[in-house]
Amino acid sequence: DGGITQSPKYLFRKEGQNVTLSCEQNLNHDAMYWYRQDPGQGLRLIYYSQIVNDFQKGDIAEGYSVSREKKESFPLTVTSAQKNPTAFYLCASSIGFTAGGFKDTQYFGPGTRLTVL
Amino acid sequence: SQQGEEDPQALSIQEGENATMNCSYKTSINNLQWYRQNSGRGLVHLILIRSNEREKHSGRLRVTLDTSKKSSSLLITASRAADTASYFCATGSDGGFKTIFGAGTRLFVKA
Repeated sequence: DGGITQSPKYLFRKEGQNVTLSCEQNLNHDAMYWYRQDPGQGLRLIYYSQIVNDFQKGDIAEGYSVSREKKESFPLTVTSAQKNPTAFYLCASSIGFTAGGFKDTQYFGPGTRLTVL
Repeated sequence: SQQGEEDPQALSIQEGENATMNCSYKTSINNLQWYRQNSGRGLVHLILIRSNEREKHSGRLRVTLDTSKKSSSLLITASRAADTASYFCATGSDGGFKTIFGAGTRLFVKA
C-alpha cells in the first residue's frame, strides 16, 4: 500500500447523507483513480483524473463526485443520489504519460469500507 | 461488460503445488497486468506483460500471453499458504487510463 493512503478505513453513513472519502499519494503520480468493489466482484471504475484540475467519469459515476485541486489528493464524495453505496472503495494512482509512453501500473491504497445504516 | 474474465472463479490447492489461473479478454490491448488482493486490502501489482511479449517471469510467477486467443495465464509455482488471495487480471489499451479489471480468481492454499 506504500505511498498512497485512504481514510477512514471504515465509514458508516445514514441514508440521505453525503460522505467524503480521502485519498492522498506522495508518489508524484499524475493519474489517480477511484474504484468500487462489491463482495466477490472485480473493480469498477468510478472516476479517474489524468492531471490536476481534470477528471473524467468512469463506468459507474452516477451518485459520486470528485475533485482534483492538488496533485496528491483526489477525494471522492458519495452523495445521497447513490442508490446502493455500501461497498469497498479503492483509490489508486499511476505515473501516467512519460517519454516512454503511458505507464499503466497502478498503486492502490488500503481501501475504505463504506456501510450505509 | 467485463473485459477480463478469470477462470476458475476459485481454486483450492495444497501447499507446494502449482496454481494456474487464466484470463480471457475481448478487445485489443497494449498490455495485461496481474494484481493480487489479500482479503479486505488494496491490490498489489504483480507483473505486466506487453502485447508483443509471450511470456514473462518474476520469482515464482510465470505469465503467458496469447494475443491470437485473447488470453493470459498466471502460474504460481511451489505455492505457499501466504499466496492465499484473490488474483485479478487487468487490461490496458490505447489511451491507457481505463484499465479494466476482471472479477478475479480466489486462491486458497492449504498448509
